[in-house]
Amino acid sequence: NAGVTQTPKFQVLKTGQSMTLQCAQDMNHEYMSWYRQDPGMGLRLIHYSVGAGITDQGEVPNGYNVSRSTTEDFPLRLLSAAPSQTSVYFCASRIQGAHNEQFFGPGTRLTVL
Amino acid sequence: GQQLNQSPQSMFIQEGEDVSMNCTSSSIFNTWLWYKQDPGEGPVLLIALYKAGELTSNGRLTAQFGITRKDSFLNISASIPSDVGIYFCAGPNYGGSQGNLIFGKGTKLSVKP
Repeated sequence: NAGVTQTPKFQVLKTGQSMTLQCAQDMNHEYMSWYRQDPGMGLRLIHYSVGAGITDQGEVPNGYNVSRSTTEDFPLRLLSAAPSQTSVYFCASRIQGAHNEQFFGPGTRLTVL
Repeated sequence: GQQLNQSPQSMFIQEGEDVSMNCTSSSIFNTWLWYKQDPGEGPVLLIALYKAGELTSNGRLTAQFGITRKDSFLNISASIPSDVGIYFCAGPNYGGSQGNLIFGKGTKLSVKP
């Protein structure tokens, strides 16, 4: 099992550009989520999904879109990047109801100029 | 809303020393999770706690679920250089839905050889 994979590892964007951060898991987990990590802020939930076709907002959803067409994939889209979105982004997955033990991907480090 | 407060924010210790860190919540939890994040990587689950008073070990790491259910503690004995990283506590966000996790802001551990 590859676990949770994320691409790209690093990305630099200009303000206003759009891009998609990819996330995939091969553990057949129903629940997937996206977090951003900023210095001194810990991990904050952006969006999450409890299964294919179902998504919902987390703590900091503004400026981000998600979709979940398959169990395996959960891409995160930035429609018009802003410098405030410079951060490290982590995707995570878990079995629904499994005491919340989540497995994280390696992260994408995004810089918006 | 729920908040998790971790302390200390950072620690600089000598190799071989023991380490203690804690996490407190503004509300009662029924699950406590401790994660470690190595530099440049995603968080990895170290220990999960499910019952008040529970004491669980994972090698040199020991975590406890506080009796009040509003706190948890993580101890590392005889620290080594590879213990360097950020340690996060996490618990279920009862204010949200579907069992999302909330995270503390982390304790950054540095170990001097």
